[in-house]
Amino acid sequence: DTAVSQTPKYLVTQMGNDKSIKCEQNLGHDTMYWYKQDSKKFLKIMFSYNNKELIINETVPNRFSPKSPDKAHLNLHINSLELGDSAVYFCASSQVGRADTQYFGPGTRLTVL
Amino acid sequence: QKEVEQDPGPLSVPEGAIVSLNCTYSNSAFQYFMWYRQYSRKGPELLMYTYSSGNKEDGRFTAQVDKSSKYISLFIRDSQPSDSATYLCAMMDSSYKLIFGSGTRLLVRP
Repeated sequence: DTAVSQTPKYLVTQMGNDKSIKCEQNLGHDTMYWYKQDSKKFLKIMFSYNNKELIINETVPNRFSPKSPDKAHLNLHINSLELGDSAVYFCASSQVGRADTQYFGPGTRLTVL
Repeated sequence: QKEVEQDPGPLSVPEGAIVSLNCTYSNSAFQYFMWYRQYSRKGPELLMYTYSSGNKEDGRFTAQVDKSSKYISLFIRDSQPSDSATYLCAMMDSSYKLIFGSGTRLLVRP
């Protein structure tokens, strides 16, 4: 059983398009996160939601908008994609107050042409 | 200067060797220290976490934290080819944001 799942696994798109990445966790966790991993493997937090409420919002362009329909799902919508958005995006989840124990999804590899 | 520094490697060792992976950090407010393993094209997987200076052991893995030197280490005993992966250190202060190192790529040769 997959604990944290993401769709799609790969996403290839043109500059200027709008795309969404979906994340679901079946661990019963209340807190979910989005991370970006660049080509040098540097992993950086973008957003964190606790029970559908935004609690961490790093310096991310407002073209990126997270949406949490319920505590098991955290989707990422990206408008007007740019070349620099190409990266691997990871979703993660944890129990509330346990950011030290996060479970990561398999990642979505986004390529912007 | 990055908050967390980690040698990218690659580090190549023969099977059975003891591996030492290290990170240094600059933020004295970091209280929580984690090690993640990431296989190629997979998500990071938590290996160990610790809150205090000293050693914590789990099977073949030992995490060591020296807060006075702002230095953490992960030791892998009896390394196996299946340990070949990128190892990421991560740290957190009271903001509960994980700050990752850039990862060290480890290759264990059979």
